[in-house]
Amino acid sequence: DSGVTQTPKHLITATGQRVTLRCSPRSGDLSVYWYQQSLDQGLQFLIQYYNGEERAKGNILERFSAQQFPDLHSELNLSSLELGDSALYFCASSERPTRGGAKTQYFGPGTRLLVL
Amino acid sequence: AQKITQTQPGMFVQEKEAVTLDCTYDTSDQSYGLFWYKQPSSGEMIFLIYQGSYDEQNATEGRYSLNFQKARKSANLVISASQLGDSAMYFCAMREGGGATNKLIFGTGTLLAVQP
Repeated sequence: DSGVTQTPKHLITATGQRVTLRCSPRSGDLSVYWYQQSLDQGLQFLIQYYNGEERAKGNILERFSAQQFPDLHSELNLSSLELGDSALYFCASSERPTRGGAKTQYFGPGTRLLVL
Repeated sequence: AQKITQTQPGMFVQEKEAVTLDCTYDTSDQSYGLFWYKQPSSGEMIFLIYQGSYDEQNATEGRYSLNFQKARKSANLVISASQLGDSAMYFCAMREGGGATNKLIFGTGTLLAVQP
C-alpha cells in the first residue's frame, strides 16, 4: 500500500458526460501528479500540483482540468468524454522536491475509466 | 527532448534465475533521476528502485539492482532469484524538469513472465 488513495476504482460512463476523479496524497506530501495510461499512448503525465498551485502541465486536454485543495487532496475533472478517454488514471504524490533531488513518486491504485 | 527506450516488449525467465530488463535514456540535463516501477496485472504502479545521475554507486533494493552506465545512458534493472510474483509489467522512467517540477516520462514497458 503506497498510502495514496484514489476513488472511485472503476467508473463507467457515456460519451459526452463529465466525471470527477479524486485523489488523497500520502500524509505529508505536498505534490500531486496525474497520469493517464492507455493502450495507444502508454503512460503520460497530465499535470502536477504543489501545495495548491499548478506546477507543470503535460499533454492534458482542454476538456480536462484539475485542482488541489487546501487539505491537499486533488480532483481531476474530465468533461465531454470521448471513447478515447477510456484509460487508467493514476494519481501520485511525492515529498517536496529539493534542488537536484528527484523525489520518488508513489502511485495510487488508479481509477479505471470506461467511456461507452 | 527527453526519452526513455525499453526495447524488450516481453521476456521469459525461469524461477530462481536472474533477469536483466533493459532501459536506455536520452537527456541533455546533467542532473536527472531514473526510476523503475512494477505494474502487476492488478494494475497498481509499485516503486522499485531509484538512481540519481550523480550517484556513484549502483542502487540496490533487496533483489533489485540497477546497472547504471552513465556514458552509455543505460539504466538496466536486474532482478536476482526471480519469483513467480515477479511476473508483471516493468516500466523505466526518468524525471523531467528541475526544481519543483518533477514529472516522470515513462518507457513503453517490458512484460516479464516468470516460469516455474
